[in-house]
Amino acid sequence: DGGITQSPKYLFRKEGQNVTLSCEQNLNHDAMYWYRQDPGQGLRLIYYSQIVNDFQKGDIAEGYSVSREKKESFPLTVTSAQKNPTAFYLCASSIVTGTEQYFGPGTRLTVT
Amino acid sequence: KNEVEQSPQNLTAQEGEFITINCSYSVGISALHWLQQHPGGGIVSLFMLSSGKKKHGRLIATINIQEKHSSLHITASHPRDSAVYICAVGSGDKLTFGTGTRLAVRP
Repeated sequence: DGGITQSPKYLFRKEGQNVTLSCEQNLNHDAMYWYRQDPGQGLRLIYYSQIVNDFQKGDIAEGYSVSREKKESFPLTVTSAQKNPTAFYLCASSIVTGTEQYFGPGTRLTVT
Repeated sequence: KNEVEQSPQNLTAQEGEFITINCSYSVGISALHWLQQHPGGGIVSLFMLSSGKKKHGRLIATINIQEKHSSLHITASHPRDSAVYICAVGSGDKLTFGTGTRLAVRP
């Protein structure tokens, strides 16, 4: 079955630690995205990648980093510089940017 | 003012009722998306449209480009339709999302 996987579903970290969220897709999509969702707010774009070895900052990139070494994988690192990292993180992909996006199940990150 | 406004924020309906969720936007767009988010958090794309109307099963989405407005209709609503419905507008490479409409359908 084609789709997007994110792991783990729940993640707990201590303040000051970096943490990496996994996102893998087998849809052969060129574009991948990372969003953050907070209660009462719409999804906000953190980073996106149009193609392997290329990525652009979204609206709230500060405190986050990404890599796109393989077409299938777009991991997100939440660094200790992110002031309020506790949130629900969603990964998505699309054939190319501007087309319908397919979402993963999300990772809920709690930092204490 | 948010670029994407949805109404209502919360909606409770009785099974079988006809439901309408509205979305207004203030920017130029290339397409509008309707998404469904279930309590577990996963999001499913329902529609992507840039003009007119689309129908899938009991769901209908319409868009009026001149008025910058879209509606999502659910006919013969069912408890399994209970979810958060999110409107998002696409411009260039990015989507801008509304805050969602939380729908509860009671049996």
